[in-house]
Amino acid sequence: GENVEQHPSTLSVQEGDSAVIKCTYSDSASNYFPWYKQELGKGPQLIIDIRSNVGEKKDQRIAVTLNKTAKHFSLHITETQPEDSAVYFCAASMGGSSGSARQLTFGSGTQLTVLP
Amino acid sequence: DVKVTQSSRYLVKRTGEKVFLECVQDMDHENMFWYRQDPGLGLRLIYFSYDVKMKEKGDIPEGYSVSREKKERFSLILESASTNQTSMYLCASTPWGSGANVLTFGAGSRLTVL
Repeated sequence: GENVEQHPSTLSVQEGDSAVIKCTYSDSASNYFPWYKQELGKGPQLIIDIRSNVGEKKDQRIAVTLNKTAKHFSLHITETQPEDSAVYFCAASMGGSSGSARQLTFGSGTQLTVLP
Repeated sequence: DVKVTQSSRYLVKRTGEKVFLECVQDMDHENMFWYRQDPGLGLRLIYFSYDVKMKEKGDIPEGYSVSREKKERFSLILESASTNQTSMYLCASTPWGSGANVLTFGAGSRLTVL
């Protein structure tokens, strides 16, 4: 089955700096890669996703890049703010745009702390 | 605005007790999930249900069972709780078709087994 590795497990950055979280996956058939953000006391929430036919996707201060050859994808947060402090999870799935969440394999999570 | 509700946020149980974790969603979603969240291990799927009375084992079903008698409600059952089941439990749901791979999570139920 799919295996997703996520690094680093913890990350501290100064407010205004950029943060990068990296994930690698094992199954070359995976084609859907979401990122979830979990704030303290809340459940994870989807913040951005990318499909294998796209190399990069941006949404305001966050972006995700995908390298299918190397089987890794990354989350980039620019101009970090204190409200970006949370646990971030990457995931991979073979389900594509119509697949079921049943097929998602999650990474181990990254605790991001943005220091004021 | 709350869409997936886990009624118990914190529970403390004793070894051997039967534990029920309840989850209700108000989005008329067909699919419901129970995950377990442990530090360094991410989210691991325990059970999945794609319809009333239908269920599938996830990646770590041992020691757990589930019940889905109504579309909006999905219960996780620990028949005989053990200390290694101390964890955060997250319920989630998705619709069929478009959006089937986008999970809406509840806030979680933190279970401590003594």
